Amino acid sequence: AQTVTQSQPEMSVQEAETVTLSCTYDTSENNYYLFWYKQPPSRQMILVIRQEAYKQQNATENRFSVNFQKAAKSFSLKISDSQLGDTAMYFCAFMKAHSGNTPLVFGKGTRLSVIA
Amino acid sequence: DTEVTQTPKHLVMGMTNKKSLKCEQHMGHRAMYWYKQKAKKPPELMFVYSYEKLSINESVPSRFSPECPNSSLLNLHLHALQPEDSALYLCASSQGSGPFYEQYFGPGTRLTVT
Repeated sequence: AQTVTQSQPEMSVQEAETVTLSCTYDTSENNYYLFWYKQPPSRQMILVIRQEAYKQQNATENRFSVNFQKAAKSFSLKISDSQLGDTAMYFCAFMKAHSGNTPLVFGKGTRLSVIA
Repeated sequence: DTEVTQTPKHLVMGMTNKKSLKCEQHMGHRAMYWYKQKAKKPPELMFVYSYEKLSINESVPSRFSPECPNSSLLNLHLHALQPEDSALYLCASSQGSGPFYEQYFGPGTRLTVT
């Protein structure tokens, strides 16, 4: 079974600063996908960024980037130039790379507060 | 249109009631999902429909009954629920199955069982 661990229940960052959210996972699979989802207060969950395990290059999406360390089974999210709208719960998630339906396995989440 | 809509937004029901949650998407997605999210917890997958057929049932109690009448619509029928079933119920959809396709989430229905 796959597990996803987010060791930081809550974090805060000053506006315009950089923050890194940690995520580790455990799996015996060799090919899989990792995700960061953002769930703002009372708003819809959206996909922030996705990483394919067989790709060595770290994924980036504008101010969001990941540090994927496959051997260490680590997948951290870096948010640069933090904005007030980044305040949300962030979930790290894992999915096996099968063509059919396989469940998303979520971590417990990190609540990020961006302070003005 | 990249929107998944869910109705109602809030629902309060007694343990003997029968109610239904509705989810709709018009993005042409062929996979639809129900998740349950307790307060301050991550979402937990309940059901997956792929091409209108149930493909995953994560050992959900029979008091929850999913239905996919067509490719745009997903229902969750509720009967004889328990107070511990109170949670945010999220619907999601994706173009296809598997990790290659982004899941789009709805805003959820907040259910309270009294």
